[in-house]
Amino acid sequence: AQKITQTQPGMFVQEKEAVTLDCTYDTSDQSYGLFWYKQPSSGEMIFLIYQGSYDEQNATEGRYSLNFQKARKSANLVISASQLGDSAMYFCAMRVFNQAGTALIFGKGTTLSVSS
Amino acid sequence: NAGVTQTPKFQVLKTGQSMTLQCAQDMNHEYMSWYRQDPGMGLRLIHYSVGAGITDQGEVPNGYNVSRSTTEDFPLRLLSAAPSQTSVYFCASSYSRQAPYGYTFGSGTRLTVV
Repeated sequence: AQKITQTQPGMFVQEKEAVTLDCTYDTSDQSYGLFWYKQPSSGEMIFLIYQGSYDEQNATEGRYSLNFQKARKSANLVISASQLGDSAMYFCAMRVFNQAGTALIFGKGTTLSVSS
Repeated sequence: NAGVTQTPKFQVLKTGQSMTLQCAQDMNHEYMSWYRQDPGMGLRLIHYSVGAGITDQGEVPNGYNVSRSTTEDFPLRLLSAAPSQTSVYFCASSYSRQAPYGYTFGSGTRLTVV
């Protein structure tokens, strides 16, 4: 069965610093997709970045990058130059699919607090 | 506005009552799924579906029923609510199993069972 593990319940960083949020995954599938979502205090789920298992380069989206190490089964999110608005819960997720469809399996999340 | 619409936004139930959480999307997405979010547990998959008549169980399906009679709607039914079902429920939809940007989430339903 697929599983996502996020071992950091909370992270604290100062503005303009970079921060890495850890994510490890477990799957026996050869083809899979990994996602990171941000959930601010308002509760909405905001898509940040995606990495496919066959992508040879690490994904980047603005200040977000994904440090993908396939052999170690890790997909860490790196946020460069943190901003106060980055304070939120962050979830790592993996796509699962079968004949019934496709959905996401999530980790327990990491709360990021950015201070000035 | 296009997107995933969940109703109601808030609901209080008494133990043993039944109710249906509604989820509708107008993007012609085939894939829909339900999640519950509890403090410290992240989002956990309840049920998902690829289209009308096809559903499957996720990580925590007990106590919940689903059916999919149309592409647009994917209701989640609680037959006999229990306090353990107090949670925030999210519905999501996707237009492709391959698309990285395809998961659109609703704004959630906050359910309290007393």
